[in-house]
Amino acid sequence: AQSVTQLDSHVSVSEGTPVLLRCNYSSSYSPSLFWYVQHPNKGLQLLLKYTSAATLVKGINGFEAEFKKSETSFHLTKPSAHMSDAAEYFCVVTVLRYGGTSYGKLTFGQGTILTVHP
Amino acid sequence: DAGVTQSPTHLIKTRGQQVTLRCSPKSGHDTVSWYQQALGQGPQFIFQYYEEEERQRGNFPDRFSGHQFPNYSSELNVNALLLGDSALYLCASSKDRGSNTEAFFGQGTRLTVV
Repeated sequence: AQSVTQLDSHVSVSEGTPVLLRCNYSSSYSPSLFWYVQHPNKGLQLLLKYTSAATLVKGINGFEAEFKKSETSFHLTKPSAHMSDAAEYFCVVTVLRYGGTSYGKLTFGQGTILTVHP
Repeated sequence: DAGVTQSPTHLIKTRGQQVTLRCSPKSGHDTVSWYQQALGQGPQFIFQYYEEEERQRGNFPDRFSGHQFPNYSSELNVNALLLGDSALYLCASSKDRGSNTEAFFGQGTRLTVV
């Protein structure tokens, strides 16, 4: 079984200040973790992924996340927010299927809406 | 590369009707998954298709069915529509083998049941 909890439904920051979006996960097996972003009326875009390599993962647009097994967390950060970062962000957990080459179902968190003020 | 394409983009149906949604995967992808995203919620997994077979299924009733064609494209069918089926339906494609197996999503089909 697997589940994801995004600890904040809304986060509001000023442009140029740091961003922190929090995510805790639960998984019966070694998890793979992702962050996706969804802009209004757009599909989901992959920001970054953790797949049991380096625990600090760098993604697109300056975002990064750190996998902490002891805390079962995978928080998303960015040093300096930009207006274009305003969107909804989803933390996702999955596991590799038997054979280890593809993923089964993705389990999404409830989402965090990021608002960036000028 | 066209990415994942879904059709139609919007659809309005009446309770009790049936609907078919379509998805063409990203070039080179052979696996298609469907998700339902209700307003204000995260996407929920419906099922995954590989080699024209349903490989994994989420907690959705049998009214939700699907199909995958030899060219890897897929359909999602929903029978006896309920008001609660109103949602954004997302298709995701991926490769079954290879290092880059993350899912790519289409823009979705917005279904409204009235």
